[in-house]
Amino acid sequence: DAGVTQSPTHLIKTRGQQVTLRCSPKSGHDTVSWYQQALGQGPQFIFQYYEEEERQRGNFPDRFSGHQFPNYSSELNVNALLLGDSALYLCASSQTGNPGELFFGEGSRLTVL
Amino acid sequence: EDQVTQSPEALRLQEGESSSLNCSYTVSGLRGLFWYRQDPGKGPEFLFTLYSAGEEKEKERLKATLTKKESFLHITAPKPEDSATYLCAVRRAGGTSYGKLTFGQGTILTVHP
Repeated sequence: DAGVTQSPTHLIKTRGQQVTLRCSPKSGHDTVSWYQQALGQGPQFIFQYYEEEERQRGNFPDRFSGHQFPNYSSELNVNALLLGDSALYLCASSQTGNPGELFFGEGSRLTVL
Repeated sequence: EDQVTQSPEALRLQEGESSSLNCSYTVSGLRGLFWYRQDPGKGPEFLFTLYSAGEEKEKERLKATLTKKESFLHITAPKPEDSATYLCAVRRAGGTSYGKLTFGQGTILTVHP
């Protein structure tokens, strides 16, 4: 049974560019959350998708947007990249009835130059 | 706003030397406290969920406990393979909280042979 898969694993962008990160949830999971983890810090909640809609959002600007597809996979888009957007972006999936038990992917490491 | 503070930031132990990690939290109505383990370059891995004061959970050499203000992760006779960053997170009660977790900054545990 495949767990949560994310792509790409690493990428380098320059300021002002746009990036799209992708996530496939664990089989049987219908909810996808995205977190940003800066070096030496805990993950910070960006937003959560359920039934193809953004259900909850953390304190992130509108430059951060997402999408969930009918097969439950998800994308995170970041526009107008800033140096401070450099971080590990983690996708986590869960089941509706067990929302706190998150299964994380290995993350996408974004470096903005 | 929900807050989670973990201490110490880093802990070095000799193999077999038992110790505890602390997680202090402030949340408006706790709907679950979660412990995760994160290895370098990987996403966090779920360990425990605690829901109410007095509750305890055990897994191998790890035991998690919960009071109304803090949680402890006790590590008994640790081995080098227990070396990792341990993250604590809380979920707030309420209809709009869904699955958002607020994480602490983590405790980096190193166990020397």
